[in-house]
Amino acid sequence: QKEVEQNSGPLSVPEGAIASLNCTYSDRGSQSFFWYRQYSGKSPELIMFIYSNGDKEDGRFTAQLNKASQYVSLLIRDSQPSDSATYLCAVTLYSGAGSYQLTFGKGTKLSVIP
Amino acid sequence: SQTIHQWPATLVQPVGSPLSLECTVEGTSNPNLYWYRQAAGRGLQLLFYSVGIGQISSEVPQNLSASRPQDRQFILSSKKLLLSDSGFYLCAWSVQGTGYEQYFGPGTRLTVT
Repeated sequence: QKEVEQNSGPLSVPEGAIASLNCTYSDRGSQSFFWYRQYSGKSPELIMFIYSNGDKEDGRFTAQLNKASQYVSLLIRDSQPSDSATYLCAVTLYSGAGSYQLTFGKGTKLSVIP
Repeated sequence: SQTIHQWPATLVQPVGSPLSLECTVEGTSNPNLYWYRQAAGRGLQLLFYSVGIGQISSEVPQNLSASRPQDRQFILSSKKLLLSDSGFYLCAWSVQGTGYEQYFGPGTRLTVT
């Protein structure tokens, strides 16, 4: 059974600090990795994706992937109160017939304290 | 640019009543389409996905069904709602043949009473 595990939090960080969100996955065949941000009552918004081992940076966000350890993380630099949300980790596997399946973790709730 | 719409935004329905939720995508052709449910305190659960008109795959056996009558239209239905059907229903799309990045619509919050 494919599983994606995240610490549910809440993770509290002071404004301006680095927030570190972690995710592990069970299926070594996983191919692509995503981070979604979900504000309370809203739908998930894709903020980062990473396909290869290493780091990928986009503005204040850095995604890190280690396939050998089956581990993916998201770093948020200079955290702002507007970053307060639940962050969902998702992992994709090819499921045949031209479709890929995303498996989501339950999310980590981040709170940035002013 | 691509846009995904869902309606209604909120819905309160009694147990045993029917359900129809609609999702449409603009600005792309032949997308993969997905229905998810997010129940309180639980993760996103994939319900159905479609790679083309009339092609529906079900991930979870339940009293829900899905249809894709047009290329960019995806409908979620039920003949008789259960209390356990309450949740946040999300439609998503991805580029055909990749499915790498899925983009979500605004969602429908369903409460079954």
